[in-house]
Amino acid sequence: AQSVTQLDSQVPVFEEAPVELRCNYSSSVSVYLFWYVQYPNQGLQLLLKYLSGSTLVESINGFEAEFNKSQTSFHLRKPSVHISDTAEYFCAVSETQGAQKLVFGQGTRLTINP
Amino acid sequence: EPEVTQTPSHQVTQMGQEVILRCVPISNHLYFYWYRQILGQKVEFLVSFYNNEISEKSEIFDDQFSVERPDGSNFTLKIRSTKLEDSAMYFCASSYTSGEGFFGPGTRLTVL
Repeated sequence: AQSVTQLDSQVPVFEEAPVELRCNYSSSVSVYLFWYVQYPNQGLQLLLKYLSGSTLVESINGFEAEFNKSQTSFHLRKPSVHISDTAEYFCAVSETQGAQKLVFGQGTRLTINP
Repeated sequence: EPEVTQTPSHQVTQMGQEVILRCVPISNHLYFYWYRQILGQKVEFLVSFYNNEISEKSEIFDDQFSVERPDGSNFTLKIRSTKLEDSAMYFCASSYTSGEGFFGPGTRLTVL
C-alpha cells in the first residue's frame, strides 16, 4: 500500500517570494506522482505529473517538481509566487499497474500575502 | 477541452434517504473513480470501475454504496441509506491510462 505525507499543513509566504511544498511517499512498488491544486470552492485540477523520464517536471504556470527516488520525495517549488496561487495543494501517488487509484496526502494550504 | 461533469453540484438529504450522484466521464476514458473529501480532510479513494465492474474499493465503500454505468456515458454513485458522516464533497474522476485522474467539480452532499 502507498502513503503520502505532506509535512506542512499551511505555508504562508509573501508575494514574489519562492516557495517549496514538501511531499514524501512510501510504496513497495513503482509509482506515478502527481500534484493537484484546489482553488477555493472548486474541484481538483492536475498541476503536474511524473510518469517516467526526466525527474524534473514543470507546469504551465511556473511550478516545478522533482522526483527523488532515493529520498522518496516529490517536492513542489515555484521561484516567485503570485496572489492567484493561493490554494490547497495535494500530492498524490498511484501504482503504475492495476486500477491506479490515487492516494492523496493531507494537503498544504498555500497562502500568499501581499 | 473535454471535462468530467457532475450533477447535482449540491445535494441536501435527510438521514436514511437514498441519494444518487451522477457523473459524465470523459468519453474515451476507460477507468472511472469516486473519491470523497470530508470538510477539512484529505481526498479519499472510494471505488474504481473498469470494464463494467468494480476493480478496487476502499474500506469506506461498504454495502451502503454502489456504482453503476447504466449507459455509455453516465457513471453513478448510490448511497442507499445516508448517514450524517456521509456528508462530504464527492468527486468523480476518469482516466484513460497512467493513473492520471481527471476530476469533476464535485457534488457537495449534506446529510441532515
